[in-house]
Amino acid sequence: DGGITQSPKYLFRKEGQNVTLSCEQNLNHDAMYWYRQDPGQGLRLIYYSQIVNDFQKGDIAEGYSVSREKKESFPLTVTSAQKNPTAFYLCASSRQVFGTEAFFGQGTRLTVV
Amino acid sequence: AQKITQTQPGMFVQEKEAVTLDCTYDTSDPSYGLFWYKQPSSGEMIFLIYQGSYDQQNATEGRYSLNFQKARKSANLVISASQLGDSAMYFCAILTGTASKLTFGTGTRLQVTL
Repeated sequence: DGGITQSPKYLFRKEGQNVTLSCEQNLNHDAMYWYRQDPGQGLRLIYYSQIVNDFQKGDIAEGYSVSREKKESFPLTVTSAQKNPTAFYLCASSRQVFGTEAFFGQGTRLTVV
Repeated sequence: AQKITQTQPGMFVQEKEAVTLDCTYDTSDPSYGLFWYKQPSSGEMIFLIYQGSYDQQNATEGRYSLNFQKARKSANLVISASQLGDSAMYFCAILTGTASKLTFGTGTRLQVTL
């Protein structure tokens, strides 16, 4: 089945550590996105990529980094520079055809302990 | 810059009644698309409906319809015959031709009651 997979579902991190969230899609989508969601809040865009080896900062990119070496994969690294990383992280992908919806993964809940 | 505003943090509706969730947007790009997503407590994002800026008719998908008023820059979601399973967070989002990034509003929490 085609879809978008995020792993792990739950992640615990000690303060000062970097951690990488995985996002893989087999939908042959060009565009991929990372969002952060805090409890009871909306989705805020961290980074997005429209093509392999290219990505742009979203609204809250500080303390995060990404790579897009393969079309299928768009991992997000939460660095120690991110002051408040505890949140729900959602990855999405879409075709570059205007008007098509984005498909989302199941999310990763990151907790700093 | 593009922006979505959802002014209703929470809404209540009785089962079988219709409800309208408000969404206004701001963009200077003449080409854009508007999306509505549902997020149940499980956290997954479920696509509901899409409206393009050049679409002449309001979009409909089953019990969901989009009341698109271009001059007012509003794209309200109408859910007819509400069901208990409709209780969730609802997000409006915009994608413009130039920015190519999907921007979400803050969401509306809908609670369907008996």
